[in-house]
Amino acid sequence: DAGITQSPRHKVTETGTPVTLRCHQTENHRYMYWYRQDPGHGLRLIHYSYGVKDTDKGEVSDGYSVSRSKTEDFLLTLESATSSQTSVYFCAISRTGMNTEAFFGQGTRLTVV
Amino acid sequence: DQQVKQNSPSLSVQEGRISILNCDYTNSMFDYFLWYKKYPAEGPTFLISISSIKDKNEDGRFTVFLNKSAKHLSLHIVPSQPGDSAVYFCAASANYGGSQGNLIFGKGTKLSVKP
Repeated sequence: DAGITQSPRHKVTETGTPVTLRCHQTENHRYMYWYRQDPGHGLRLIHYSYGVKDTDKGEVSDGYSVSRSKTEDFLLTLESATSSQTSVYFCAISRTGMNTEAFFGQGTRLTVV
Repeated sequence: DQQVKQNSPSLSVQEGRISILNCDYTNSMFDYFLWYKKYPAEGPTFLISISSIKDKNEDGRFTVFLNKSAKHLSLHIVPSQPGDSAVYFCAASANYGGSQGNLIFGKGTKLSVKP
């Protein structure tokens, strides 16, 4: 299995609170991604990174920010959580970009109440 | 507007028979296609891919067929096994002037293989 660890695996938080999800990799891959999975929507890209301090928005980036200060860590922050951000969040990594094989973490189930 | 469509939310197949999962796309710029498999409570895992310069790619029991004129691809699993029961996601990316875009995923098809 690719070395990807997401933390926490489960979290319940209240509306309006900030939340940070962490993705840690031991593969030294250049690209890292945050997706969310919701019923009826499949997987949707939130943000991605193509190097340390190099990030860009995906298709559903509103309400989210990211940071990548080290190759191995990619943080996803919900500045002020809303109920619409209740979802399962997946981190993914790839060596040369998403058009090649990408490895996904096990996911973080976030519930905003 | 969905660019990648998996119109069958679920599929049930008998063990040993062929499973055919379908995927349609609308963006003619898509030139690379992948299939991922996902078990409950796990992340998706890469299964097989195909570039638009090919019309078929095979890996063991899994074969992906691409029909560019119809903007359609399919994943064949032969023979199907109970362990293949999972959600299968089709995904595509486009090449914009030499820069590959991000993957767009379909909503997934849940495959159940009955013993």
